[in-house]
Amino acid sequence: DSGVTQTPKHLITATGQRVTLRCSPRSGDLSVYWYQQSLDQGLQFLIHYYNGEERAKGNILERFSAQQFPDLHSELNLSSLELGDSALYFCASSMPTSGGNEQFFGPGTRLTVL
Amino acid sequence: GDSVTQMEGPVTLSEEAFLTINCTYTATGYPSLFWYVQYPGEGLQLLLKATKADDKGSNKGFEATYRKETTSFHLEKGSVQVSDSAVYFCAPTDTGNQFYFGTGTSLTVIP
Repeated sequence: DSGVTQTPKHLITATGQRVTLRCSPRSGDLSVYWYQQSLDQGLQFLIHYYNGEERAKGNILERFSAQQFPDLHSELNLSSLELGDSALYFCASSMPTSGGNEQFFGPGTRLTVL
Repeated sequence: GDSVTQMEGPVTLSEEAFLTINCTYTATGYPSLFWYVQYPGEGLQLLLKATKADDKGSNKGFEATYRKETTSFHLEKGSVQVSDSAVYFCAPTDTGNQFYFGTGTSLTVIP
């Protein structure tokens, strides 16, 4: 158990809908990272938050957004869903952002868009 | 930005065979280097890491050495087991702890 929790574990929805994925980092970790893992594209970095502020953006679509709340949990919002958004979504957390710190991954949320 | 090139899979080995998964990276500065492993149905977990040149990371019989001159961090294990079947990810990190994951290498070990 990494100490990172993600809910829900599975999510099935239809095209055009909007969903929210939730992540609670390990106690004491200020950084939260979101990743998308699909079969054909491997693990893609989406976005990084540190102590409530956006720090870096990766390959995140404009239809996707995220935020980190004062209690440090984070939410990833996916809207106008398309079939291609079906994937595993992971969040990870780490200690303050100096290089070389391990990221601890949650178990993931499997999103299926029908 | 930083990037990584990882040996493509899938890799299939017999139990007790020697494993090498190649990983090379491009980075500005001196990144820390990580190998993560993802077992079926689970999230990623740290396998080993090295934070400076010539460091060797090791865990569970796996080893990788930080080679600055060849910008490589190849993963090796002398004798694989069925329980090592998983997907392995190489990743350098920058000073902001941004991870640059490779595409992953799927390993299947058959008895």
